[in-house]
Amino acid sequence: QIQLQQSGPGLVKPSQTLSLTCAISGDSVSSKTAAWNWIRQSPSRGLEWLGRTYYRSKWYDDYAESVKSRISITPDTSKNQFSLHLDSVTPEDTAVYYCARVGWPCGAGGCYLNWFDPWGQGTLVTVSS
Amino acid sequence: DIVMTQSPDSLAVSLGERATINCKSSQSVLYSPHNKNYLAWYQQKPGQPPKLLIYWASTRESGVPDRFSGSGSGTDFTLTISSLQAEDVAVYYCHQYYSTPQTFGQGTRLEIK
Repeated sequence: QIQLQQSGPGLVKPSQTLSLTCAISGDSVSSKTAAWNWIRQSPSRGLEWLGRTYYRSKWYDDYAESVKSRISITPDTSKNQFSLHLDSVTPEDTAVYYCARVGWPCGAGGCYLNWFDPWGQGTLVTVSS
Repeated sequence: DIVMTQSPDSLAVSLGERATINCKSSQSVLYSPHNKNYLAWYQQKPGQPPKLLIYWASTRESGVPDRFSGSGSGTDFTLTISSLQAEDVAVYYCHQYYSTPQTFGQGTRLEIK
């Protein structure tokens, strides 16, 4: 059974960097049939996919256009976890942040994204001075 | 980006009655070579992350009660709860995984009438 456990601060000051970590059990961050994602949820934006990291003989990442200039998602193979870093935060970044796994199996015709499952427990991050 | 629009925004149904939630995508999420719709449904209760109910538009996740069913193809999809139970009170989301960025509907809040 795959489980994701999030950790990180719940309060960040404006202009600083939001950092969260997601520890994986039951799977590997280096899996070639999965991608590791961060998603946030707020009343104003709903559920918003932020980005992902994945390994396919080398490391790749993809990010949402809305945060592309401020975000990095990095794997840590020694601890089997991945992290979110979001720079220059403003109160608009206040949200519940989730990590989530996506299956990404490959077959004869190519590789195809699946749904988000499982999810981490969520971390409410408030941006305030 | 594919925009997912759910209707209604909120819904009140009597216990034991049918609940129907609709989801429309701004473009087709049917991948023809596979003949599969890249559409999932989630249930979210307060203080919890979304829980996967349905994937491939109509495949029930293991352990999900069979009163939950999904249907539809292309751009129009439906989540049906055949006989509403008290524990089904939640917000329900559709999600397309056809293309990046993966996107969600705005949610439908389901309550007991």
